[in-house]
Amino acid sequence: EVQLVESGGGLVQPGGSLRLSCSGSGFVFADYAVGWFRQAPGKGLEWVGFIRSEAYGGTTDYAASVKGRFTISRDGSKSIAHLQMNSLKTEDTAAYYCTRVYTEYGGAFDIWGQGTMVTVSP
Amino acid sequence: SYELTQPPSVSVSPGQTARISCSGDSLPKRYVFWYQQKPGQGPILVIYKDTERPSGITERFSGSSSGTTVTLTITGVQAEDEADYYCQSTDDNDDWVFGGGTKLTVL
Repeated sequence: EVQLVESGGGLVQPGGSLRLSCSGSGFVFADYAVGWFRQAPGKGLEWVGFIRSEAYGGTTDYAASVKGRFTISRDGSKSIAHLQMNSLKTEDTAAYYCTRVYTEYGGAFDIWGQGTMVTVSP
Repeated sequence: SYELTQPPSVSVSPGQTARISCSGDSLPKRYVFWYQQKPGQGPILVIYKDTERPSGITERFSGSSSGTTVTLTITGVQAEDEADYYCQSTDDNDDWVFGGGTKLTVL
């Protein structure tokens, strides 16, 4: 079964750090870009950042709201992508999702994880 | 910043047709994707490249495009279709953008 599983969420104080993980299975993880998204409680979806496939150098891009604070990386040997979140703010509180970017579908996000909750609070 | 506009809510009775719109100035030159999200779950892709349906998605879901508006149509609505629906596209910087979401209620 093709799936993504996020982990690493939790409660953190403002200014703190947290590292989320996204583990892929059922497909060749290294062949796909991975996107990270978030959803604040009761709100809509927001793009956070993404990392290109290893064939495209694994380069990254980020939304303006997190640039300079969040870093995405990937470990091809373990089929895992990480989202390192530093200098966290209360407004970063959200469920965080990772996705597979499927170029055959025009860049659609065809697989989503179940999400992991991050709460930033004093 | 670029915005995609969706109605906050749509309500239909079982068996009827639901239509959810998504408007944006750049939509004539950008693909649109639609995602279904049920409470407590991750989203599911239901339409890609404006009108295409992924494998495993029921034929009751379809997409159409006209000018700056794209529409997700769900025919023969069933109780299981009750969910939030999000359109998604890209802006001029190729950054990903979502509409605000539409809550579909099956009466």
